[in-house]
Amino acid sequence: AQSVTQPDIHITVSEGASLELRCNYSYGATPYLFWYVQSPGQGLQLLLKYFSGDTLVQGIKGFEAEFKRSQSSFNLRKPSVHWSDAAEYFCAVGAGIGGKSTFGDGTTLTVKP
Amino acid sequence: DTGVSQNPRHKITKRGQNVTFRCDPISEHNRLYWYRQTLGQGPEFLTYFQNEAQLEKSRLLSDRFSAERPKGSFSTLEIQRTEQGDSAMYLCATTRGEGSEAFFGQGTRLTVV
Repeated sequence: AQSVTQPDIHITVSEGASLELRCNYSYGATPYLFWYVQSPGQGLQLLLKYFSGDTLVQGIKGFEAEFKRSQSSFNLRKPSVHWSDAAEYFCAVGAGIGGKSTFGDGTTLTVKP
Repeated sequence: DTGVSQNPRHKITKRGQNVTFRCDPISEHNRLYWYRQTLGQGPEFLTYFQNEAQLEKSRLLSDRFSAERPKGSFSTLEIQRTEQGDSAMYLCATTRGEGSEAFFGQGTRLTVV
């Protein structure tokens, strides 16, 4: 069965600082991996996805993520955080691009001025 | 706005009552998913449709839950004899199918009192 672990429940960074959110997954085959962002009371917005090819993927809002098969990880990074990035971030593994996804429990990002 | 519409946005109901939620997908999207999200957790898969066919149901979907997608367009999720444990955000997501990204609606927040 597929599973996702996001080890950090809550992270606080200063505006302008760099950010890395961790994600570890368990999946029997080559995974489809996603990062979503959710603002309070809202649905999820896709930040980026990995299916195959280049293991460093670029997404929207200046985010990127790196797939490391040997570590079963797909960590999300941003070089300089903006106050508007404060939200909850979810990593997910999918059975296929159009298939159902299994989500981690999320990491809440707080941005200090 | 992702183009996926969910109604109502909020629902408060008394324990034991029946509730029904609606999801209107992006018109050309043939796959539709329902997820449930409780506080502090990521979304959990409930069920999905390919056009009008319900192809998979999670063990989370007890016999009090039923979902339909008549004519492969909008979908409804009904919960009968609601319980306090049903209080959650119910999210709908749709895709064009294999090779396409999932778009989430803003969700319906259910509170059972």
